[in-house]
Amino acid sequence: DQQVKQNSPSLSVQEGRISILNCDYTNSMFDYFLWYKKYPAEGPTFLISISSIKDKNEDGRFTVFLNKSAKHLSLHIVPSQPGDSAVYFCAASARWRGSTLGRLYFGRGTQLTVWP
Amino acid sequence: IAGITQAPTSQILAAGRRMTLRCTQDMRHNAMYWYRQDLGLGLRLIHYSNTAGTTGKGEVPDGYSVSRANTDDFPLTLASAVPSQTSVYFCASSADSYNEQFFGPGTRLTVL
Repeated sequence: DQQVKQNSPSLSVQEGRISILNCDYTNSMFDYFLWYKKYPAEGPTFLISISSIKDKNEDGRFTVFLNKSAKHLSLHIVPSQPGDSAVYFCAASARWRGSTLGRLYFGRGTQLTVWP
Repeated sequence: IAGITQAPTSQILAAGRRMTLRCTQDMRHNAMYWYRQDLGLGLRLIHYSNTAGTTGKGEVPDGYSVSRANTDDFPLTLASAVPSQTSVYFCASSADSYNEQFFGPGTRLTVL
């Protein structure tokens, strides 16, 4: 039973436009959420995170929004660049609660393609 | 350069053979992890270690074993490889179990 879901396996966006990647979770114990970016033949790279005490976190072109009531988070990339083309994984953990403290649960990933 | 190294980069292995994937980090991180990535399934946790001397089972531990004799090394062993263990294996580490994880470059394993 997947606790973190990324329902869109792929997303295609034109350069300069906004990319919105979505993620849903089912476990109400999750209180820390992360996005990772993965290029082919490389390991995932940490991109941005958000704690459940916030509803928004920004880092340059990347913003993560968290809607706790809907158990939904999204990653916005503005403006999108061809170098952003990669697989993006959403992950969640229960940092301070539960029996699996700190363990990350990953979604299946969304392949983002940014075309010129 | 500080980070995580994995060896080998890739390996083709006959079914039934024993194989150890190596992982070393030089960031003095307490926690280390092994994941496998399969197409359409994302990253699944195999085993983890919150600190040297301790290990725990993840989501898909069957057929794998780990040890954590010191802070830096976290080898993953397949005692008798099977074709379903064909995958890309990633090692990761974090300062502690509450922080973001840093991943190694991966080992591509093919079991025939």
